[in-house]
Formats: sequence, structure tokens, C-alpha cells
Amino acid sequence: GAGVSQSPSNKVTEKGKDVELRCDPISGHTALYWYRQSLGQGLEFLIYFQGNSAPDKSGLPSDRFSAERTGGSVSTLTIQRTQQEDSAVYLCASSPGQGSGGEQFFGPGTRLTVL
Amino acid sequence: AQSVTQLGSHVSVSEGALVLLRCNYSSSVPPYLFWYVQYPNQGLQLLLKYTSAATLVKGINGFEAEFKKSETSFHLTKPSAHMSDAAEYFCAVSDSKVYKLSFGAGTTVTVRA
Repeated sequence: GAGVSQSPSNKVTEKGKDVELRCDPISGHTALYWYRQSLGQGLEFLIYFQGNSAPDKSGLPSDRFSAERTGGSVSTLTIQRTQQEDSAVYLCASSPGQGSGGEQFFGPGTRLTVL
Repeated sequence: AQSVTQLGSHVSVSEGALVLLRCNYSSSVPPYLFWYVQYPNQGLQLLLKYTSAATLVKGINGFEAEFKKSETSFHLTKPSAHMSDAAEYFCAVSDSKVYKLSFGAGTTVTVRA
């Protein structure tokens, strides 16, 4: 079956511009996570969705970062006024939810480069 | 708070030799532990997970890991390395509620012919 998909695969933007990153989770997965992978910081948790709610946003690095999920499915991560330190690979993962043992299925990521 | 430490950022092994990747965890609650593998320009793929059942966990591609509470360790092993095992490996820990993952820094494995 289809796995987690993310778009775009690569995004190059200029400092100060806004960007939107999209994640399509596996159908039926109620939990969705965003992570960031960068050379300096490694893999970091950003935000967790259960359905359309985000009970844990503790990893969002600043108020320039926001995310939403609609219909219990697609999620969009938005970065406003991008900075060079936002350059990283943004990974999305989905999970069946409670009782699944926590296994997360990852997408291929979106590589964001801020010039 | 939960965290993991991976000992060794790079490991080089000969084809056919034992692969041993070390991971120690810190957790205030019974942990869920995971090993993920990442091939170049790809996402993360789950190798195996520990969720408080058997302490010796078998995963895909011949990998296994043993949970040792007394040592707070969850080391990953494979008896015989193959060229296709060259990748970056991440140990991760989560709680049993939100399941958000805290990752180690990763270990890059190279396999020599």
C-alpha cells in the first residue's frame, strides 16, 4: 500500500519568504508527527497530531512555525519569514495511534534550503 | 525527560563481520525503544522496537537488539555484515502516551569489501 508522502521533495527559498510543506499520511493513521533533521541539531521532534488536534507542539522552535491537520489526514507545516537556520530536512511520520506500540512510518522528507 | 546516547558516530566493519552499534537510554518511565535505519536521501525505516515484551528483539534484515534495564542499554547487532547494511542508524526512545521520538545522534556504518 501507499506509504507516507511529502511534497515538495526539495524547496529552495529566499530568506524572509514563507513556505508550506505538505504531508500525506498512511490512510487510517490517526497520529501524525513532524520532525526536523539538520546537521547541527540531528533529528528533532516538532509537533504531534492526534486526529486534527495538536496536543504536543513543544518542539516548534519559534512562533514562525505552525502546522495544521485537516480531515484527520493531510498536514501542512508552515514556516513564515524563513531564516537560514531553518534549512534542514523536514520529516513527517504517521502511526496507527494508541495500542500500535508507537511504530512510526516515515516519509522521504522535504529538503528545505533557505538562501 | 527521555534521551538516548549513541556511542560512536562512525563504525567501519568488514563484510561478514559482526556489526555492533551501542545505545544507552535515559528515561523516567518504562521506555519504548527503537532502532531506525536511514539510507542516503531517504526517510527512516524501522528496524526493530522494544515495548516491554521480550528483552531480545529481532528485527528486519537480520538485526537484533537486547534490552538491558540494569545497564540502560539497547545495543543493536547483526552477526554478519553485508554491503547493503551501509547506512546511518538511529536509536530512539519514546514514552507510551504521545510516542514522540527522541533520537540519538546517529551512527554511520560503512562496510568494507
